Amino acid sequence: GAVVSQHPSWVICKSGTSVKIECRSLDFQATTMFWYRQFPKQSLMLMATSNEGSKATYEQGVEKDKFLINHASLTLSTLTVTSAHPEDSSFYICSARESTVMNTEAFFGQGTRLTVV
Amino acid sequence: GENVEQHPSTLSVQEGDSAVIKCTYSDSASNYFPWYKQELGKGPQLIIDIRSNVGEKKDQRIAVTLNKTAKHFSLHITETQPEDSAVYFCAASTESGYSTLTFGKGTMLLVSP
Repeated sequence: GAVVSQHPSWVICKSGTSVKIECRSLDFQATTMFWYRQFPKQSLMLMATSNEGSKATYEQGVEKDKFLINHASLTLSTLTVTSAHPEDSSFYICSARESTVMNTEAFFGQGTRLTVV
Repeated sequence: GENVEQHPSTLSVQEGDSAVIKCTYSDSASNYFPWYKQELGKGPQLIIDIRSNVGEKKDQRIAVTLNKTAKHFSLHITETQPEDSAVYFCAASTESGYSTLTFGKGTMLLVSP
């Protein structure tokens, strides 16, 4: 079945540094990918919708300059957390649907645990 | 926008019992309703989904029912096993590849041996 690969699975970084998370659709093309954030014992919160070749669409309250999204190809989207602070520590998850196919499920990456110290 | 309510937030059952999780949605345009299982430290995994043209779907021990008139859908797990213990999320969306999923708040299922 279709697979979405997310890397890294975990990362620890110092406060003030930037961290890049990659999301790849391995065997299908995804014009649109989605980035979620999940705090402990909470649901997935949509941060932004990543569109190949154009600017991402951010949800209300999500800082565009802090969470930079680049979707340069049909199989890769990246999320960069800039100038990370401890409050950015969270579980980040990407998702993709095969946009050109109807009746398709959404596939999720395995998530990235970000810890900012 | 869409709003998805999920109940209960926690559910404890004995091994072999059945478990039922219920969700309601608000947007009548939604026509795709997946259920995800999330284990600790992992991304959600699709376990079953249902589309608005059917009222019930079954896959071995797992079944989902949908009532479009009432705007609610339910997950049924029979003969539960300890490995079913996880957090389960329901979601709703339209079927377009460009549409986002709106998630419920999740149900932590604990199956005791």
